[in-house]
Parts: sequence; C-alpha cells; structure tokens
Amino acid sequence: NAGVTQTPKFQVLKTGQSMTLQCAQDMNHEYMSWYRQDPGMGLRLIHYSVGAGITDQGEVPNGYNVSRSTTEDFPLRLLSAAPSQTSVYFCASSPLTGAPNTEAFFGQGTRLTVV
Amino acid sequence: AQKVTQAQTEISVVEKEDVTLDCVYETRDTTYYLFWYKQPPSGELVFLIRRNSFDEQNEISGRYSWNFQKSTSSFNFTITASQVVDSAVYFCALRSFESGGSYIPTFGRGTSLIVHP
Repeated sequence: NAGVTQTPKFQVLKTGQSMTLQCAQDMNHEYMSWYRQDPGMGLRLIHYSVGAGITDQGEVPNGYNVSRSTTEDFPLRLLSAAPSQTSVYFCASSPLTGAPNTEAFFGQGTRLTVV
Repeated sequence: AQKVTQAQTEISVVEKEDVTLDCVYETRDTTYYLFWYKQPPSGELVFLIRRNSFDEQNEISGRYSWNFQKSTSSFNFTITASQVVDSAVYFCALRSFESGGSYIPTFGRGTSLIVHP
C-alpha cells in the first residue's frame, strides 16, 4: 500500500524555470491538496481538489497551477519559479464523504530551492 | 471561518520534564474532528491522534495524553517525561463541515518542541 507518493524529493530550479511536482495516491481519496511549509509559517494551503475535475485555491495560490484529471493524481505546476517559492512542499489526501474523521495522509515532501 | 491557533511557536525543555502543547480551535459547526500530527527532524508528517466533537473523553497513550475541552475549545497535548526523540514540530488540525461542506482540514502554525538532554 503506497499511500501518497510525491516526487521529486529535492529540486533546484533557476529563476524563471517551470516545473511540475507530482503527487499520486492509491487510496481513492476524493480530497487532495498541496501545502507549502516555510519556517515559522506552518502549513499553508496552496490549492486543493475535492474530486476529479474540481480544483480551488487555498491561502497562497499565486504562481502555482493545478489540475485533477483523475482521482489518483494531483500535480502542482510552478509556472515561472521565483526565489520566494523556495520551500518544502507537501501533498496530502484524505477521504471526504463518509469519513470526515479520517486523518490526512501526507507525501514525504519536496524540498525546492529556487536560485 | 474555522481556525486553529497554536500560540506557542517554540518550547524548549530539558529531558524528563512534562510539557503541554496548546491548541485552540474555532468553528461554528457542532460536529467536527480534531487531529494532532508530529513532524520529526526527518521531515515527514506523522498522524498521532484524532478526536470527534461528540467524544470528550481524554486519551492516554504511553507518555502522550490529550485533553479535549469543548467549553474552552481546546485540544491540548501533553508529553510526560519528555525525551530527546520527542523533539519535533507538532501540528494541530481541524476538519468541520463549515469549510464549504468539504471538511477541508485547517492546520495550526505548529509548535516546535526542543527537548535537551
């Protein structure tokens, strides 16, 4: 049982480059989300999805794009990387209907550095 | 809107001390779910416990205990006889129907616990 698989674990980008962080879950969870974690700021929600074809913005969506074409996958795209996007990124999933008391399952995180 | 406040940014203790991590939440819903997660220095997020709003029974698991009080909207986490391995960032989280009907989790900012030998 793989849970939430997030790749890559580490990435260095140059300013202006684009890239996609991959996230996949095999638990048939409706809800998937992306967070960024910065020192002293906790987990801040970037984008989330409550099902295939449905996405919405979180607290800090600027500079990021998402899509949800399948239940399993929820990639996060950095359109034009900026040093302010240097952070640790986490993908998380959880069931929604029928099991709101279930905890979030997290990927292992991606440490992104933009130079 | 639902909110989770972890007012303690960082706590520093010496090994074997007891320590309590505070979590205060806000929600208009009467049915909601609270969680604690641990993030050790290795970086992964580890689920510790969940509590439903209709179950105010406190829970103890070894050196860990959780005190849920609806009257004060708090879900505090106590570590008894702390150990160096308890050093981590701890997050409190809330899920309620208030978040657009989707039970989207809201996380606190986290409390960094440092346990010195």
